[in-house]
Amino acid sequence: GNSVTQMEGPVTLSEEAFLTINCTYTATGYPSLFWYVQYPGEGLQLLLKATKADDKGSNKGFEATYRKETTSFHLEKGSVQVSDSAVYFCALSPGRDDKIIFGKGTRLHILP
Amino acid sequence: DAGVIQSPRHEVTEMGQEVTLRCKPISGHNSLFWYRQTMMRGLELLIYFNNNVPIDDSGMPEDRFSAKMPNASFSTLKIQPSEPRDSAVYFCASSLLAGGNEQFFGPGTRLTVL
Repeated sequence: GNSVTQMEGPVTLSEEAFLTINCTYTATGYPSLFWYVQYPGEGLQLLLKATKADDKGSNKGFEATYRKETTSFHLEKGSVQVSDSAVYFCALSPGRDDKIIFGKGTRLHILP
Repeated sequence: DAGVIQSPRHEVTEMGQEVTLRCKPISGHNSLFWYRQTMMRGLELLIYFNNNVPIDDSGMPEDRFSAKMPNASFSTLKIQPSEPRDSAVYFCASSLLAGGNEQFFGPGTRLTVL
């Protein structure tokens, strides 16, 4: 079946540190991959996406590359800010329907 | 566009009462999703609709939960009777029907059942 596994949190970093949040997936076919972010008290919002192997999604300094050979879509940012504190969800869409399969989320705390 | 609109934003009720949550999707979107989020269980898909038709309700916890979408611009999620374990944040999301498209989430309804 389809599933997403992401590193458990919370992850606590100092401002300007390098961030990696690991995500691996299991899927049949060629899914689209997403990172969503949820700020406190809000709904999820799309951070970035990639629709095929070797695509790199990027937004707000965050990047993730669709690696089919390792079935991974790790989220990275070179220098985090306090305002990046949120919960990050890795997700996939198998493409056969409109469901998105979400990971359990990783809470990120950035200290000033 | 105003985005996905949910009401109420907060609901506090007593066990046994009926609760109705409402959602207005983004105009032109033809897929609508209801999710529930708790600390213990994370984000769970309850049900989703394509063109107002329920496609998959396998995530609905039990018969106390029901959802309707009478037209393209409105959906409800009803819990009757409510129980304390239903306390959660309920999100509605919408997207364009095409597979693999971004879902746009509403701000959520925080439900507390006493």
